[in-house]
Amino acid sequence: IAGITQAPTSQILAAGRRMTLRCTQDMRHNAMYWYRQDLGLGLRLIHYSNTAGTTGKGEVPDGYSVSRANTDDFPLTLASAVPSQTSVYFCASSVSQGGTDTQYFGPGTRLTVL
Amino acid sequence: GQNIDQPTEMTATEGAIVQINCTYQTSGFNGLFWYQQHAGEAPTFLSYNVLDGLEEKGRFSSFLSRSKGYSYLLLKELQMKDSASYLCAVKDSNYQLIWGAGTKLIIKP
Repeated sequence: IAGITQAPTSQILAAGRRMTLRCTQDMRHNAMYWYRQDLGLGLRLIHYSNTAGTTGKGEVPDGYSVSRANTDDFPLTLASAVPSQTSVYFCASSVSQGGTDTQYFGPGTRLTVL
Repeated sequence: GQNIDQPTEMTATEGAIVQINCTYQTSGFNGLFWYQQHAGEAPTFLSYNVLDGLEEKGRFSSFLSRSKGYSYLLLKELQMKDSASYLCAVKDSNYQLIWGAGTKLIIKP
């Protein structure tokens, strides 16, 4: 693989179900991010990780959890999905969180919660 | 609060020049990014400005004025493939990116 991959590409989920979105990067980037993108709104940060073993909350963390057991993987879990979590989810990574470091995005997961 | 403003939609003609503006109010400033996003795809990096002035990259240029909280992306010699959304984002004092809602650019032949 090259860059960032996300799985699944899309998913329809019943409300109340648990769901994990997967994200893997092979660029050895230290920092990783999860965003959601909704029509008419900018990308909103859900959670981030500056380095393996550490995570932090973004702008909209409620209802989501993350873990960063190693450098490559950064899964996002919805413990009990609700319809308002219907969105497109993007994972991104950067060398670090520093000013000049560019974030590179995965292809996204389109999630529909019914 | 933190805010990034950019026009919702713009239309331009193939071969022409278009300027997409972005104004921002953020807690701190550690650089401004422009990304391109085609429909149904991921954002891809276009440019980065941290000092005032113009950065040129082929057909694309980006300008920054920190005192005015203002940036623009200039696209020259427009091609049909430039039809996309253009996202402005500012890295704040916590080094988090704050994103505008994006400008949808429609190119007409």
